[in-house]
Amino acid sequence: KQEVTQIPAALSVPEGENLVLNCSFTDSAIYNLQWFRQDPGKGLTSLLLIQSSQREQTSGRLNASLDKSSGRSTLYIAASQPGDSATYLCAVNGLGGAGSYQLTFGKGTKLSVIP
Amino acid sequence: DAGVIQSPRHEVTEMGQEVTLRCKPISGHNSLFWYRQTMMRGLELLIYFNNNVPIDDSGMPEDRFSAKMPNASFSTLKIQPSEPRDSAVYFCASTFDSGANVLTFGAGSRLTVL
Repeated sequence: KQEVTQIPAALSVPEGENLVLNCSFTDSAIYNLQWFRQDPGKGLTSLLLIQSSQREQTSGRLNASLDKSSGRSTLYIAASQPGDSATYLCAVNGLGGAGSYQLTFGKGTKLSVIP
Repeated sequence: DAGVIQSPRHEVTEMGQEVTLRCKPISGHNSLFWYRQTMMRGLELLIYFNNNVPIDDSGMPEDRFSAKMPNASFSTLKIQPSEPRDSAVYFCASTFDSGANVLTFGAGSRLTVL
């Protein structure tokens, strides 16, 4: 059974700092990996999706990397801003076959960016 | 598109009552998912549908939970009878077809069972 771990559970940084969020998973046979953002009382917003054949994806100040063999992914946030404060969740999609979706979520890292 | 629409946003009920949560997926999406989120267990997949057919309901906790998708634009998750341990935020999400595509979540339904 796939297990996804995110460490640390919470992180507080001053505004402007670059930071890295970590995600590890136990089964490397994955289809893709997604990073989501969740604001308090809201649903999840997809930030980046990395296919298993890719090494990284970038969107603005965000860069996500994937090392399937070691079961790790990182989300890099450059020049952090108070608006980046949220919980960031990593989700791994297993190889369930065509049309299948086996998304396993980590419990998230709660990020606070201090002005 | 208005995104994935869930109702009600908040529901407070008493133990033993029936609860029905509703979801309207994004038009054109053919896969729909129900998740439950708690502090202790995080996000758990309850059930997912593809082309209105339940594909995987192994996450449904017990017979008190049931889900239907009568057409491509509507799904319900029913709990009968409800128990305090069912208190959680229930999310609906949708996507198009394969797992290669981004999953879009609704805002969630926060359920409190007293």
